[in-house]
Amino acid sequence: GEDVEQSLFLSVREGDSSVINCTYTDSSSTYLYWYKQEPGAGLQLLTYIFSNMDMKQDQRLTVLLNKKDKHLSLRIADTQTGDSAIYFCADYNTDKLIFGTGTRLQVFP
Amino acid sequence: NAGVTQTPKFQVLKTGQSMTLQCAQDMNHEYMSWYRQDPGMGLRLIHYSVGAGITDQGEVPNGYNVSRSTTEDFPLRLLSAAPSQTSVYFCASSLAGYSYNEQFFGPGTRLTVL
Repeated sequence: GEDVEQSLFLSVREGDSSVINCTYTDSSSTYLYWYKQEPGAGLQLLTYIFSNMDMKQDQRLTVLLNKKDKHLSLRIADTQTGDSAIYFCADYNTDKLIFGTGTRLQVFP
Repeated sequence: NAGVTQTPKFQVLKTGQSMTLQCAQDMNHEYMSWYRQDPGMGLRLIHYSVGAGITDQGEVPNGYNVSRSTTEDFPLRLLSAAPSQTSVYFCASSLAGYSYNEQFFGPGTRLTVL
């Protein structure tokens, strides 16, 4: 079946950029998503990218998609302490969202 | 709009007990789904529904039942709880599942099975 993989942890200094990476196996993905989960809460959609795009920018967020390598990344510019959370990559496939394991981002001063 | 609501927030069960996790949405969404979240495993799809009267299995359906008699409600039933079902359960809804639509998540139910 389809698989989505992420590294589990990322630690960055406040003000630096964060880059969270994701790889997926589904070659027929139409949409790929980034969700954010804050402690004790459900998931919230951060951004998404359509599979025929290479890049999408939304304020401090930049999503890069490399379809050939099936690699997706989320860059957060000027990372703040409020960005500390778990970030999930997800792949949309035929009525289902397949989530990665999540990357826990820790921002230190 | 209340969005997606889940009850209870916390629950402790003994092995073999049954219970129903409630999920409701007031956004007139056709698509609803249940996920479980376990450490290091992300979210895994249990069951989903593309509309009232229609349900289907996800990645990890064993031990869980669902029904969808109304658009608003999508309860998840554990018929005989097992310790392996200790997890955080999230319900989600969206306008439709067959194209891009943001999924809205409930706050979760933390279940412990002893």
